[in-house]
Amino acid sequence: DAKTTQPTSMDCAEGRAANLPCNHSTISGNEYVYWYRQIHSQGPQYIIHGLKNNETNEMASLIITEDRKSSTLILPHATLRDTAVYYCIVRVGYKLSFGAGTTVTVRA
Amino acid sequence: NAGVTQTPKFQVLKTGQSMTLQCAQDMNHNSMYWYRQDPGMGLRLIYYSASEGTTDKGEVPNGYNVSRLNKREFSLRLESAAPSQTSVYFCASSGTLAGGRNEQFFGPGTRLTVL
Repeated sequence: DAKTTQPTSMDCAEGRAANLPCNHSTISGNEYVYWYRQIHSQGPQYIIHGLKNNETNEMASLIITEDRKSSTLILPHATLRDTAVYYCIVRVGYKLSFGAGTTVTVRA
Repeated sequence: NAGVTQTPKFQVLKTGQSMTLQCAQDMNHNSMYWYRQDPGMGLRLIYYSASEGTTDKGEVPNGYNVSRLNKREFSLRLESAAPSQTSVYFCASSGTLAGGRNEQFFGPGTRLTVL
């Protein structure tokens, strides 16, 4: 399975964009990149996913490099409620392999 | 729709006791999953069921058994609980959507302590 590498933690100012990097250098051509977040021990919540193209939805944007070896999740206007652990995952079949994620703290 | 529901929310067991964690989903999903999450760590897959009638081992299946009772329900059983099984257990379900999206929906979790 392709592994992902994320920073352990990062801070962000409320109202500013939060850019969360992820490396997945061993990703295969048919593997999707998924992002989930987990707020305070609740069940993880789906944010966005992509294969090759950049994606945007109501929660975030996903930028995937042309070689697909890394990606960036962008929260355009971070709020205090976005404080959470963010997981970057390469999906293989039915399975999601969660690493330790990035703990994002949004500060007022 | 309730989404994914789990019972119980909290449980304390003594070493050697058995129990079953229940999970149900009302989204007509084919696939269901059981994860555990230890403090400060990500989720680890215990078992999953790609469709009704099938189950497969995940990353950490030892000490657990599962039953896919029907399309809606997927239970996790601890036959002889051990302190190492103290964890938060999450159930999830997924169905294949357009664009390769296979989003997993998670339940609220069961917090299990084994003394």
